[in-house]
Amino acid sequence: KAGVTQTPRYLIKTRGQQVTLSCSPISGHRSVSWYQQTPGQGLQFLFEYFSETQRNKGNFPGRFSGRQFSNSRSEMNVSTLELGDSALYLCASSLAKGGGLTYEQYFGPGTRLTVT
Amino acid sequence: AQKVTQAQTEISVVEKEDVTLDCVYETRDTTYYLFWYKQPPSGELVFLIRRNSFDEQNEISGRYSWNFQKSTSSFNFTITASQVVDSAVYFCALSEEIGFGNEKLTFGTGTRLTIIP
Repeated sequence: KAGVTQTPRYLIKTRGQQVTLSCSPISGHRSVSWYQQTPGQGLQFLFEYFSETQRNKGNFPGRFSGRQFSNSRSEMNVSTLELGDSALYLCASSLAKGGGLTYEQYFGPGTRLTVT
Repeated sequence: AQKVTQAQTEISVVEKEDVTLDCVYETRDTTYYLFWYKQPPSGELVFLIRRNSFDEQNEISGRYSWNFQKSTSSFNFTITASQVVDSAVYFCALSEEIGFGNEKLTFGTGTRLTIIP
């Protein structure tokens, strides 16, 4: 079974621009989560989607947004990029169903975003 | 608020030595899940183990073993007879269940393990 895929793998943008990152989960997984990883802040949760609905959101400004499509694929968007947004953005999928049990998350290779 | 502490920032051991990575967590919930992930130089986080708060049995998988102790809020990870391929950053993570399954993971800061040949 194919793993989580993320595109693009590398991206260079300038301040003020916006960017869209894409994530395709493992087949059959309906939950997709996004994380930001930086040397200073470590791994931080951005948001989680399940059946096209955002179920949980981390402590990030409104410039960070996401969505999930009916095929479970997800995108995240960052508008008005700042230098501090330079990071590795990781997407993870899991078998999470409607209730009661937390499954492990499987991560993609990440998109490394550099803002200049 | 939940919190995960990995006090060991970096560890170096000589190949074939055993090494234990510490993880201490804080949570007010009675139902929660603990995880370990490995991040090799390639950057992708690799899932190693999941443990729920009601299962305190230790687990062994090949050279890897995990010691979960609720009394001390710890979930330590031991690699026996370490190998160079074990060199990576290891993260401990905590997830709390809220109703229909909270997929938010709170990560520790990671421990960089270097195995010296």
